[in-house]
Formats: sequence, structure tokens, C-alpha cells
Amino acid sequence: GAGVSQSPSNKVTEKGKDVELRCDPISGHTALYWYRQSLGQGLEFLIYFQGNSAPDKSGLPSDRFSAERTGGSVSTLTIQRTQQEDSAVYLCASSHRGGQSSEQYFGPGTRLTVT
Amino acid sequence: AQSVTQPDIHITVSEGASLELRCNYSYGATPYLFWYVQSPGQGLQLLLKYFSGDTLVQGIKGFEAEFKRSQSSFNLRKPSVHWSDAAEYFCAVGPYSGGGADGLTFGKGTHLIIQP
Repeated sequence: GAGVSQSPSNKVTEKGKDVELRCDPISGHTALYWYRQSLGQGLEFLIYFQGNSAPDKSGLPSDRFSAERTGGSVSTLTIQRTQQEDSAVYLCASSHRGGQSSEQYFGPGTRLTVT
Repeated sequence: AQSVTQPDIHITVSEGASLELRCNYSYGATPYLFWYVQSPGQGLQLLLKYFSGDTLVQGIKGFEAEFKRSQSSFNLRKPSVHWSDAAEYFCAVGPYSGGGADGLTFGKGTHLIIQP
């Protein structure tokens, strides 16, 4: 079956512009995660959705970052007024259910470059 | 807070030789442990996981890992590496909260280079 898909695969944007990154989880997976992978910070957890709700948004790096999930499926991560330090690979993962023992399946990521 | 340490940033191994990648964790309860592999330009693929029970777990591609609570370690091993094993390997510990809201905590990764 289809895995987690993300679009675009690559995005180059100018500093100060807004960007939207999309994640399509595996069908039937109720939990969805966003991570950021950068050279300096490694892999960082950003936010988790169970269904359409995100219980804790404190992992988002700044108030320029927001995320939503509609219909319990597709999620978008929006970065407003992008800065060069936002350049990274943004990874999305989904799992059948949330919780400690639920295996997460990762998408290929969106490589964001802010010039 | 939980943390994961992968002490080796790079490891070079000859093809056909054995491999051990080290992982140490800090976690306030029984850990949920994972090893992921990332090939260039690819997402993360789960190699194996430990939740409970037998401390030696088998994964895909001939990998295994052993959980040692006394050493807070979860080292990844393979008896004989292939050139296709060249990749970045990440150890991770599972969400601390029961609801999973914390996500996974990853180590910095170990870059595996295979020499012919």
C-alpha cells in the first residue's frame, strides 16, 4: 500500500516569504507527527496530531510555525516570514494510533531552502 | 527529559565485516527503543524496535539489537555488512508520555561507510 507522502519534495523560498508543506499519512493512521532534520540540531520533534487535534504545540520552534490537520488525514505545516535558520528537511510520520508503542512510518521529507 | 547518545559520528567498516553501532539512552521509565536507517535523500525506515520481553530483538536486513538495562544501551549489530548498508543510522527512544505527544527523541546519528 501507499506510504506517507509529502509535497513538495524540494522548496526554495526567499527570506520573509510564507511556505506550506503538506503531508499525506498512511490511510487509516490516526496519529501524525512532524519532525525537522537539520545539520546543527539533528532530528527534532515538532508537533503531534491525534485525529485533528494537537494536544501540545510547545515543540514548534517559534510562533511563525503552525500546523493543522483536517478530516483526520492531510496535514499542513506552515512557516510564516521564513528565516534562513528554517532551512532544513521537514519529515512527516504517521502511526496507526498514538502512544509509546505505536510504530511511526516516515515520509521522504520536504527539503526547504531559504535564501 | 529523555535523551539518546550515539557516540560515533562516523564508522568505517569493510564489506563482509561485522558491525556494532552504539546507542545509550536516558529515560525515566521502561524505554521504548528504535533503530532507524536513512539512505541519502530518503526518509527514515524502521530497522527494529524494543518494547518489552526478549532483550535481543531481530530486525530487517539482518540487523539485531540488544537491550541492556544495566548499561542503558541498545546497540545495533550485524554479522556481515554489505555495501548497500552504507547509510545514516539513528537510535530513538519512544514518547515519554503515554499519549505519545512528545514524539520520538533521536540520537544525532552514525554515518556508516562501507569499504570494498
